Amino acid sequence: GESVGLHLPTLSVQEGDNSIINCAYSNSASDYFIWYKQESGKGPQFIIDIRSNMDKRQGQRVTVLLNKTVKHLSLQIAATQPGDSAVYFCAENGSGGSYIPTFGRGTSLIVHP
Amino acid sequence: SQTIHQWPATLVQPVGSPLSLECTVEGTSNPNLYWYRQAAGRGLQLLFYSVGIGQISSEVPQNLSASRPQDRQFILSSKKLLLSDSGFYLCAWTNKGLAQGEQYFGPGTRLTVT
Repeated sequence: GESVGLHLPTLSVQEGDNSIINCAYSNSASDYFIWYKQESGKGPQFIIDIRSNMDKRQGQRVTVLLNKTVKHLSLQIAATQPGDSAVYFCAENGSGGSYIPTFGRGTSLIVHP
Repeated sequence: SQTIHQWPATLVQPVGSPLSLECTVEGTSNPNLYWYRQAAGRGLQLLFYSVGIGQISSEVPQNLSASRPQDRQFILSSKKLLLSDSGFYLCAWTNKGLAQGEQYFGPGTRLTVT
């Protein structure tokens, strides 16, 4: 989409703080959402996913919240560590088993020790 | 377990030269395959995807092309590179058998066109 040409927004936090990364999606029919983490010079890696019949899902130090009313997705990272510094992307899969995900713009998380 | 390989890892090519980037997947069969490009500090741009051998769909018209000669091999090519082709190229696959599932990305190829 058009967002791929824009610079990534940046979130700077102190080590030990909680981080919240937000993502807005456009397709109200999307039924599956994923968060990816991309470290510098590497490919994105899966962090956590959530289906549209849920509004919250927890993993190890990460929580994803889904608000379908306002089409908003967030990733919360507890006790952020320097190793969490990366770019985080949200992605949505369209309904009906679409195999073409739509990626969000991405957010660069910088963790200061 | 499944793995995805890309090569080369880095490439410096002059303007006007040809390009061939290769991606192979191991440990799965009949995957969906994808090529993305990522400019520095930018998001992911889907270039091509394939649901099977010889089946290629293009998302962005440009001087790049893709081919899938084998089930688990995806190739990105160009006859004449442009400066604007510089970027980080990522290959990815998904399991076609899952209605919902994540994409698995390769390590990427850093292309610099000079």
